[in-house]
Amino acid sequence: QVQLQESGPGLVRPSETLSLTCTVSHFSINRGYYWGWIRQPPGKGLEWIGTISHSGSPYFNPSLKSRVTLLLDTSKNQLSLMFSSVTAADTAMYYCGRGTAASTWFDCWGQGTLVTVSS
Amino acid sequence: EIVLTQSPATLSLSPGERATLSCGASQSVSREYLAWYQQRPGLAPRLLIYDASKRATGISDRFSGSGSGTDFTLTISRLEPEDFAVYYCQQYGDSWATFGPGTKVDIK
Repeated sequence: QVQLQESGPGLVRPSETLSLTCTVSHFSINRGYYWGWIRQPPGKGLEWIGTISHSGSPYFNPSLKSRVTLLLDTSKNQLSLMFSSVTAADTAMYYCGRGTAASTWFDCWGQGTLVTVSS
Repeated sequence: EIVLTQSPATLSLSPGERATLSCGASQSVSREYLAWYQQRPGLAPRLLIYDASKRATGISDRFSGSGSGTDFTLTISRLEPEDFAVYYCQQYGDSWATFGPGTKVDIK
């Protein structure tokens, strides 16, 4: 059964770049599917950040696109998210998930990693 | 951007009762590309329904989805204790996937 696990720093300073990794187990990410990032500010709803295909093509939430980079590392079976120029509004639980298309539902989710933006 | 609204914001029911949750879209959702998720406190969302009415793998048949166009419904036929949670709808018919604000189902 596929498993996803997010990792990264719990605290990031304002204006810096947030970097997160999602490690996928029991499934090779270059075999298929799309891999996405979703975030949830504390006590609030869900927001799609972006999705990357198994071949490395990225798709972004237009409102976040200018600050987001998505990458695949097939040698490590990982996907990564880089989010530049963060502010307190970027404080959230960040999840990675598996989908079937660029704009997609997510049938498998990681447990999430909480990122706080604060000086 | 397709904006989703969910009603009610909170639904207070007793175990064994039927729950009906609504999701409305600001414009028609292409191909009924709408999903429903359940989120329990401290956990990641769990996919329940996709393509408006298809149950995800391992999901109880107490959960059913329906709707088309701009109006969608999630029905839980008989609430079990583990069903008290927050439910989100999501549309993915547009290249910009969006989520609704959620409906909390709590114990009356």
